[in-house]
Amino acid sequence: QVQLVESGGGVVQPGRSLRLSCAASGFTFSSYAMHWVRQAPGKGLEWVAFIAYDGSNKYYADSVKGRFTISRDNSKNTLSLQMNSLRADDTAVYYCARDLTSTGTMDVWGQGTTVTVSS
Amino acid sequence: SSELTQDPAVSVALGQTVRITCQGDSLRSYYASWYQQKPGQAPVLVIYGENNRPSGIPDRFSGSSSGNTASLTITGAQAEDEADYYCNSRDSSGNHWVFGGGTKLTVL
Repeated sequence: QVQLVESGGGVVQPGRSLRLSCAASGFTFSSYAMHWVRQAPGKGLEWVAFIAYDGSNKYYADSVKGRFTISRDNSKNTLSLQMNSLRADDTAVYYCARDLTSTGTMDVWGQGTTVTVSS
Repeated sequence: SSELTQDPAVSVALGQTVRITCQGDSLRSYYASWYQQKPGQAPVLVIYGENNRPSGIPDRFSGSSSGNTASLTITGAQAEDEADYYCNSRDSSGNHWVFGGGTKLTVL
């Protein structure tokens, strides 16, 4: 079945780095744009980053631009998010999501991985 | 504006109809998508485009749009519809996406 599974979350000190991964299965990963979305504890959803199906276009929320990098390996059906210079307000559950139409309709979501930035 | 505005909370009696709205300038150019999120779970897409439901979403869920406002309507709300609902769309720049703040739906 169509599935996204995130991994790589954990507890990290402010200023350090963390790399999240999202393993895709059950569909042709290379045909779909992908997003990262996060949700801070008790808060709403926040879009983080977008990558086109072939990696040719990447966009970032202002809150993470210059610190986070989205990438993908279509040969391994894997989406990644490299997070540098982490701050306390980056603490959240991070979801990867498939873009159904490359217009932001996110039709498949992973279960999320938790990132806690704390000293 | 890159913001989408939703009412924080809405309630509906069991079996009645409820409309959840989402306002933003970008909705004049782009359709909204709607997501349902229950506690401890990932969001689930319920409506996208003009008024499209993914497979498995009950037909009591429908969407509409007018001007800068998108709406999600649940006709005959059920107890299992109690959840947080979020809208999203591209923002006016076209290369960012934005979510509304979410609406907590209570089914009485």
